[in-house]
Amino acid sequence: QQQVKQSPQSLIVQKGGISIINCAYENTAFDYFPWYQQFPGKGPALLIAIRPDVSEKKEGRFTISFNKSAKQFSLHIMDSQPGDSATYFCAANPMGSNYQLIWGAGTKLIIKP
Amino acid sequence: NAGVTQTPKFQVLKTGQSMTLQCAQDMNHEYMSWYRQDPGMGLRLIHYSVGAGITDQGEVPNGYNVSRSTTEDFPLRLLSAAPSQTSVYFCASSSFTGSNQPQHFGDGTRLSIL
Repeated sequence: QQQVKQSPQSLIVQKGGISIINCAYENTAFDYFPWYQQFPGKGPALLIAIRPDVSEKKEGRFTISFNKSAKQFSLHIMDSQPGDSATYFCAANPMGSNYQLIWGAGTKLIIKP
Repeated sequence: NAGVTQTPKFQVLKTGQSMTLQCAQDMNHEYMSWYRQDPGMGLRLIHYSVGAGITDQGEVPNGYNVSRSTTEDFPLRLLSAAPSQTSVYFCASSSFTGSNQPQHFGDGTRLSIL
């Protein structure tokens, strides 16, 4: 079974700090790596995504860094705010599939004011 | 635009009871799926559908049935509920137009089996 391993399981960051969540995958046949954000009582929603031919993608305070040789990708949240407190999921899309994402276990992020 | 609507939001069942979790989307998406979310285990795919009349099993299909008679609706049936099926269930949909389209999730059904 293909796997995506996500760490840490939970993370507490002070307001204004940098939040970093890491994911690693075990199979090279992935072609798309999205991150989803989930607030309590809600379903996950796409936050930002990257393709393996790009090493970094930035959208506002959110940045994905991708290391193809190490089979790792990470989410950085700059200037973290209390409103960023949520659960974050990384995922990987198997090559040739548009819909069967392989999900990480999730990281619960708490931003302390 | 309602997006993906799941009902009910909460449900308590007794072991052995059956029920149907409803999911409807108004975005004309071809792909629909059901996940269960358990602490520390992320999202696990139960069943999915790539269009009306077509369904297939995901990672954890045992104990669940699905059908897709219309593009809009994708109900999930628990035939004989077991305590191990206590979980939060999410329905999602996405379009096949273009590559890597985002999955749109409902707000979930929180199910407890006593």
